[in-house]
Amino acid sequence: LAKTTQPISMDSYEGQEVNITCSHNNIATNDYITWYQQFPSQGPRFIIQGYKTKVTNEVASLFIPADRKSSTLSLPRVSLSDTAVYYCLGRMDSSYKLIFGSGTRLLVRP
Amino acid sequence: DGGITQSPKYLFRKEGQNVTLSCEQNLNHDAMYWYRQDPGQGLRLIYYSQIVNDFQKGDIAEGYSVSREKKESFPLTVTSAQKNPTAFYLCASSNPGQETQYFGPGTRLLVL
Repeated sequence: LAKTTQPISMDSYEGQEVNITCSHNNIATNDYITWYQQFPSQGPRFIIQGYKTKVTNEVASLFIPADRKSSTLSLPRVSLSDTAVYYCLGRMDSSYKLIFGSGTRLLVRP
Repeated sequence: DGGITQSPKYLFRKEGQNVTLSCEQNLNHDAMYWYRQDPGQGLRLIYYSQIVNDFQKGDIAEGYSVSREKKESFPLTVTSAQKNPTAFYLCASSNPGQETQYFGPGTRLLVL
């Protein structure tokens, strides 16, 4: 069962744009790509979801190339409160199991 | 308010004891899930249920059991067979076929 691959950690400063890329080589044809945010000792929170090209909401943008083998979460002008773990995931086969990797730990510095 | 509740927030287990973690949702979702999270790690699927009276093992089901007698409830029992139960347990729900899952606040289980 294929997994997603993300950088283990990233550092940034307040006000910068942060881009986190995830590879998902074997994502199923009909599946969406979903990103979650998790703070310590809390459940993950849905951020954004997309199928292809670009999706934007009030907190983030998601870029997905035509081959859909990767996706990039873009956080504009991060603040200290964006320090969290970010997971990309998808359903890698026809089951209902979602694949959570280890995620990317983002640290935003003053 | 619609959402998922988990109780208790903290739970202590003695050696050889079975403990049950509660998960309730009022989102009218058909599917419910239990995940385990160890420090610094991602989430691992324990069990999931797509419909009442049906459930499937996830990747790490050994030492755990579940029931799904009602749509809104999906309790998880950590049995004495689970030798390393200390972890953060998360419950989630969704509608089948949708990748968006809604998570509860979690229960942290500790062994005395």
